Amino acid sequence: DTGVSQNPRHKITKRGQNVTFRCDPISEHNRLYWYRQTLGQGPEFLTYFQNEAQLEKSRLLSDRFSAERPKGSFSTLEIQRTEQGDSAMYLCASSLETGNAFFGQGTRLTVV
Amino acid sequence: DAKTTQPNSMESNEEEPVHLPCNHSTISGTDYIHWYRQLPSQGPEYVIHGLTSNVNNRMASLAIAEDRKSSTLILHRATLRDAAVYYCILRPYSSASKIIFGSGTRLSIRP
Repeated sequence: DTGVSQNPRHKITKRGQNVTFRCDPISEHNRLYWYRQTLGQGPEFLTYFQNEAQLEKSRLLSDRFSAERPKGSFSTLEIQRTEQGDSAMYLCASSLETGNAFFGQGTRLTVV
Repeated sequence: DAKTTQPNSMESNEEEPVHLPCNHSTISGTDYIHWYRQLPSQGPEYVIHGLTSNVNNRMASLAIAEDRKSSTLILHRATLRDAAVYYCILRPYSSASKIIFGSGTRLSIRP
C-alpha cells in the first residue's frame, strides 16, 4: 500500500453526462476527504467521511454531486448532468482520526 | 475557521535558504499550524506542523512567533524540486478536522 490512489487520472466528458471517480485510501485510515481544485486556486473542501458515515458536506456540493463510502474503505464521487463549470481537479485524501492527511494525485475532469 | 495570510508568490535562488511567512492573527489556543505543499500536477503533501515551539524535520523547519500570530516555514537549502505552492493552514487540536486551504505562496527557484 503506497498511498492514496485515485482513478481515473483524467476524464473528458460531454456536458450533461454523468461521471464517477474512485478513491482508494491508505488501508488503515478511517477518514476520507474529497476536494475540488481549479487552476490557480487552493483545494476547496467538498465532503468527508469517518468510516462509512458522511460527516460533513460543503455548500459547494450541489445536489448533482454525491459521494459514498459504503464499506468504510474506498469512496466514489459521482457528478450527474455535468456542466462546464465542473471542470477541475478532484482530490481525495485520507487520514487517521488524529493524523495528517495524505492526498492522492487527483482526477482531472474536463467537461466539453 | 481561522484564516491565514501568505504572500502570493516568492522567488529564491537554488541552494539558498527560503523563509516563507504566514500571518494568523486570529489563531486560537487549540489551533495547530500546519504546512502543506503542492508540487506541479501533484496532490498536496504534508510538510510540517507545530503548536508553540519551533519544529524541525527532514524537509523543513517551522519557526513560530511567541504570540503565535505568525509563523515562518524555513527551507534551509532550496533545490529546484522545492518549487511548489506552499499552504499555511490552521487545524484544531481535537481531531483530524477538514483542511481549509487558502491560496498559498507560489515559490519559484532560480537555478
